[in-house]
Formats: sequence, structure tokens, C-alpha cells
Amino acid sequence: NAGVTQTPKFRVLKTGQSMTLLCAQDMNHEYMYWYRQDPGMGLRLIHYSVGEGTTAKGEVPDGYNVSRLKKQNFLLGLESAAPSQTSVYFCASSYSTRKQFFGPGTRLTVL
Amino acid sequence: AQSVAQPEDQVNVAEGNPLTVKCTYSVSGNPYLFWYVQYPNRGLQFLLKYITGDNLVKGSYGFEAEFNKSQTSFHLKKPSALVSDSALYFCAVRDINSGAGSYQLTFGKGTKLSVIP
Repeated sequence: NAGVTQTPKFRVLKTGQSMTLLCAQDMNHEYMYWYRQDPGMGLRLIHYSVGEGTTAKGEVPDGYNVSRLKKQNFLLGLESAAPSQTSVYFCASSYSTRKQFFGPGTRLTVL
Repeated sequence: AQSVAQPEDQVNVAEGNPLTVKCTYSVSGNPYLFWYVQYPNRGLQFLLKYITGDNLVKGSYGFEAEFNKSQTSFHLKKPSALVSDSALYFCAVRDINSGAGSYQLTFGKGTKLSVIP
């Protein structure tokens, strides 16, 4: 099992550009999450999904959109990137209240 | 609302000495508590969790944590630190009563552990 995978691993964008981050899990988990990690801030939840076709806002959703068209995939979109979105993005998945499994992260820089 | 505090940004300990990484939490109901570890340029790895039962929870790599309801704490401990334990440690909490369909974890800001040879 690959667990949780994220693509791409690194990306540099210019302000105003758009991009999509892909998260995939092969553990048949119902729940998937997108976090951002910033120095001194810990992890903050952007959006999450409790099942295929459903999404919900987390703590810091502004400027991001998500989609969960397939159970195994959770996409995070930035429609118009801003320098404040420079961060490391982590995807995670879980089965119910059990532990969350994290992907390796995507390092995004917005110039 | 749920919250987690890790009062120490950094903890330094000599190899072979016991280590403690502190965590306190706030929830309106009963908590689910977790510890995760992050090595440089890696994702978070699960160490241990408290759901219910014994207050002393044992986890991966020789780590353990003690749940103290009266002090609302969940400190991470290890009897003898290794240099390889050097990493960033995150405490996380979820309120059991946070509502159906909501499985959000709230993370602390992290504590950097440095084990000195």
C-alpha cells in the first residue's frame, strides 16, 4: 500500500496563477483533510471531507476550494494564488475517529 | 471550541535522560488526544492516542503519554532519550462531542525536541 500520496512535491507560482494539489489514498478511508503548516503556527485545517461528494470548511478555508469526486482522491485548488498562501500543504486521511495518516507534503511558494 | 497548547517551543535533553514534552488541552466534552512526530521534510507520523481507559498510554518508539483530566494535560514522555528522537512533536485534540460528521483535529503549534549526544 502506498498510503497517502501527494502531487506535486514542490511548486513555485506567480501571484494570480492557479493550481491544483492532488491527494490520493489507497486505504479506503472515508475522511480526508487538507492542512497547511506554517512556522510557529502548527497545522491548520483548510477543508475536509467526510465522504465522496461531500466537503466542509475548516479553520482557514478562504482562497481555497476542494473537491472529492472519488473516494480515494481529494483535490485542493488555488484559483488565484497569493504570497500569503506560501506554505507546506499536507493531506491526511482517516477511518472514523481513528488516527489520521499523513502524506509527505507539498511545498508551495507564491512569488 | 477546542484548543491545544504546547507551552515550550523547544526542549533540549541529553541522550539517555528522560524527556517530557508538555501539552494541555481545552474541550467542552471528553477529549480524544493524539501525539504526532514530524521528522525534517516529512509528513506527520502517529505516535499514540488516548480515547478512553488507562490514563497511561503506550505508543511507538518507546514513547508514552499520561492523560490527566483534572489538569487537562497529556504530556509525552520517554524514559531514555535517543539522538534519533530529535524531531518536531505535535499534540492534537478532538472533542468527542464535536458533532456528527465532524472529525476535525486541532493541533498545537509543535515542540522541537533536540536530544544532545
